[in-house]
Amino acid sequence: AQSVTQLDSQVPVFEEAPVELRCNYSSSVSVYLFWYVQYPNQGLQLLLKYLSGSTLVKGINGFEAEFNKSQTSFHLRKPSVHISDTAEYFCAVSEGTGTASKLTFGTGTRLQVTL
Amino acid sequence: SAVISQKPSRDICQRGTSLTIQCQVDSQVTMMFWYRQQPGQSLTLIATANQGSEATYESGFVIDKFPISRPNLTFSTLTVSNMSPEDSSIYLCSVALGRATEAFFGQGTRLTVV
Repeated sequence: AQSVTQLDSQVPVFEEAPVELRCNYSSSVSVYLFWYVQYPNQGLQLLLKYLSGSTLVKGINGFEAEFNKSQTSFHLRKPSVHISDTAEYFCAVSEGTGTASKLTFGTGTRLQVTL
Repeated sequence: SAVISQKPSRDICQRGTSLTIQCQVDSQVTMMFWYRQQPGQSLTLIATANQGSEATYESGFVIDKFPISRPNLTFSTLTVSNMSPEDSSIYLCSVALGRATEAFFGQGTRLTVV
């Protein structure tokens, strides 16, 4: 069974500072990897996804993530955060079928951006 | 992309009762899923809603507690039966389109059982 580990439950950061949210996964097969964002009292919105190809993936709102197969990681980064980035961020991995059909989520990282 | 509407958006229910949550999608989709997000926790897949056949449940979830219907390619319901306070969660509908390289989520139904 697959698992996803988000090591940081909360990440406080000042506005305009860079941020990295860590995600590690365990799987013995090829996977699809995703980052979702959940703003307060809202559903999940896809930030970015890795399916194949370039290991550096760019997403919406200035976020990017790098797939590292040897370290089984998919860390999310943003060079300069804004107050509006305050939200819960979830890393997710698909099953080995190679689709987004059944996602296994990490426990989430709460990004708190302050002035 | 897909636009997913869930009803109700929230509800407060008495223990022992049942609540049916509806999920409507603006296009035909191949895959529909139901997730649960317990307070302060991540999302857990409950089941895959199969069109025209019984849903496929994940370990720890059973049909008697979470009966699911999917009468067509745009609609599904999840019922939370005989509710207890432990069922207080956000329930989310999710769909995957085409080659299923992306999953879309509804806004969720926030359920509180008292």
